[in-house]
Order: sequence, then structure tokens, then C-alpha cells
Amino acid sequence: NAGVTQTPKFRVLKTGQSMTLLCAQDMNHEYMYWYRQDPGMGLRLIHYSVGEGTTAKGEVPDGYNVSRLKKQNFLLGLESAAPSQTSVYFCASKAPPGLAYNEQFFGPGTRLTVL
Amino acid sequence: QQQVKQSPQSLIVQKGGISIINCAYENTAFDYFPWYQQFPGKGPALLIAIRPDVSEKKEGRFTISFNKSAKQFSLHIMDSQPGDSATYFCAASIYGSGAGSYQLTFGKGTKLSVIP
Repeated sequence: NAGVTQTPKFRVLKTGQSMTLLCAQDMNHEYMYWYRQDPGMGLRLIHYSVGEGTTAKGEVPDGYNVSRLKKQNFLLGLESAAPSQTSVYFCASKAPPGLAYNEQFFGPGTRLTVL
Repeated sequence: QQQVKQSPQSLIVQKGGISIINCAYENTAFDYFPWYQQFPGKGPALLIAIRPDVSEKKEGRFTISFNKSAKQFSLHIMDSQPGDSATYFCAASIYGSGAGSYQLTFGKGTKLSVIP
């Protein structure tokens, strides 16, 4: 099992450009999450999904869109990148409530720089 | 509004010493408190977690202490080793189903350096 994978690992964008980050998980998890990590700020939730075809806003959703067309994939889009979106982005997945373990499994991250 | 406050921001401990990281939460509905460990260039990984029906949980050198009345919990790393050098995040959520159970609220992290 690969667990949670993220594509790409690194990316440099110019202000105003768009891009999509891909997250894939092979654990058949219902829940998936996108976080951003900035120095001294910890992990902040951007958007999350509790199942295929559903998405919801997290703490810092502005400037991002997401889609969950397939259960195993969760896409994060930046329509018009801004320097404030320079960050490390992490995807995570989790089994639904009711199971014994409440662990979120994280991917390796995507380091995005917006010039 | 930060619902989980973590301290200290950074910590330097001698090899063999005890590392202690503290967290305080505000939402009394939280009933699941995990700690995540993150090495440079990697994603966070679950280290240990506790639910408030116990006041302490130990796994090897790692112990969570929980004080429900004070709304505080802490991570103790005994016999700290250079390999423990990482960033540690506390978090909180609601364990069961329903609104709030889907999300973890993270502290801002503590960078631990264990020096030989």
C-alpha cells in the first residue's frame, strides 16, 4: 500500500497562474483533507470531504477550490495564485467514525512557491 | 480564535533528558487528543493519542498526561534521543460521529531538538 500520495512534490508558480494539486489514497478512506502548513502557524485546514462528491470549507478556504469525483482522489485547485499561497500543502485521509482508530494519515506534502 | 494552544514553540533537551510539551484547549466537546510527530520534509504521523476517560497513556518512552478539569494535556518524552528531534503537534477533535468529528484542530507545533 502506498498510503497517501501527493503530486507534484514541488512547484513554482507566477502570480496569477493556476494549478491543481492531486492527492490519492489507497486505504479506501471516506474522509480526505487539505491543509496548509506555514512557519509558526501549524496546520490549517483548507477544505475537506466526507465522501465522494461532497466537499466542505475548513478554516482557510479563500482562494482554493476542491473536487472529490472519485473516492480515492481529492484535488486542490488554485485558480489565480498569489504570493500569500506560498506554503507546504498536505493531504490527509481518515476512516469514518465508528471505527476504533481516529487517525488521519498524511501525505508527504507539496512545496508551492508563488513568485 | 485558536482553540488549541501549544507551548513551548521550541525546546532544546540534552540526550537522556525529559522533553515536555504542553497544550490547552477551549472546546469542552473535544474528547480525542492525538499528538503528531513530523520530521523535516515529511508529513505528520500519529505518535500517540488519548481519550479523556483516562488521565495518562504510555507507549514506550512517550506518555500523554491529561487533566480534564484544567482542559490541558501534555506529551512527555522520557530518555530523549537525537532521533526524537522533530516538530510535535498536539490536536483535538470530537471522537464520535456528527459535526466536529471530522476535523482535527491542531496546535501551532513545538520544534524539539535533542542534543548529544
